[in-house]
Amino acid sequence: AQKITQTQPGMFVQEKEAVTLDCTYDTSDPSYGLFWYKQPSSGEMIFLIYQGSYDQQNATEGRYSLNFQKARKSANLVISASQLGDSAMYFCAMSNFQTGANNLFFGTGTRLTVIP
Amino acid sequence: GAVVSQHPSWVICKSGTSVKIECRSLDFQATTMFWYRQFPKQSLMLMATSNEGSKATYEQGVEKDKFLINHASLTLSTLTVTSAHPEDSSFYICSALEARGQNEQFFGPGTRLTVL
Repeated sequence: AQKITQTQPGMFVQEKEAVTLDCTYDTSDPSYGLFWYKQPSSGEMIFLIYQGSYDQQNATEGRYSLNFQKARKSANLVISASQLGDSAMYFCAMSNFQTGANNLFFGTGTRLTVIP
Repeated sequence: GAVVSQHPSWVICKSGTSVKIECRSLDFQATTMFWYRQFPKQSLMLMATSNEGSKATYEQGVEKDKFLINHASLTLSTLTVTSAHPEDSSFYICSALEARGQNEQFFGPGTRLTVL
């Protein structure tokens, strides 16, 4: 069984500062993918970044980077130079490719508030 | 990037009526689409996986007779909430997996259902 845990229900960060959103996961499958999505108040899910379990390097996408520590089973999202528009819910998700189902399992989310 | 649309974006209906929600991939073919449900301030929960031309696979606890899913083409999946009741009020989000793509699911903007 797979499990995604986000232990921070809410986070605050000063504008222009960096923030780390935590995510840990548990799976017995050797092949999996980790995703981060942003959900603003409008509701749409916005894909931010992806990390494959076999990727050697941490994924980066602009101001987003994923701190992937496989041995610790953690995939924290780092947002650099926070902007007011970054205020939203952030969900970590995992997909197990071994089964071929491509189902996404979501964590409970972290609400990020950027303070001006 | 790939675009997924949902229609309607917001629907209010009387208890006992049925509501159909459409999910379309606009610029790509999706052999697999997913339907999620999100209650206020909660995470996304996978309801079912919809494969083109075959029966949907429902997650445990989801009533297949109540939530009818039809994936008739590579660009369209529909979710029909039959005999809706107030407890079915929720935010329903679909996602689509590109037929020749990697692992990313593209999400629709969601449909907010309110059952009176």
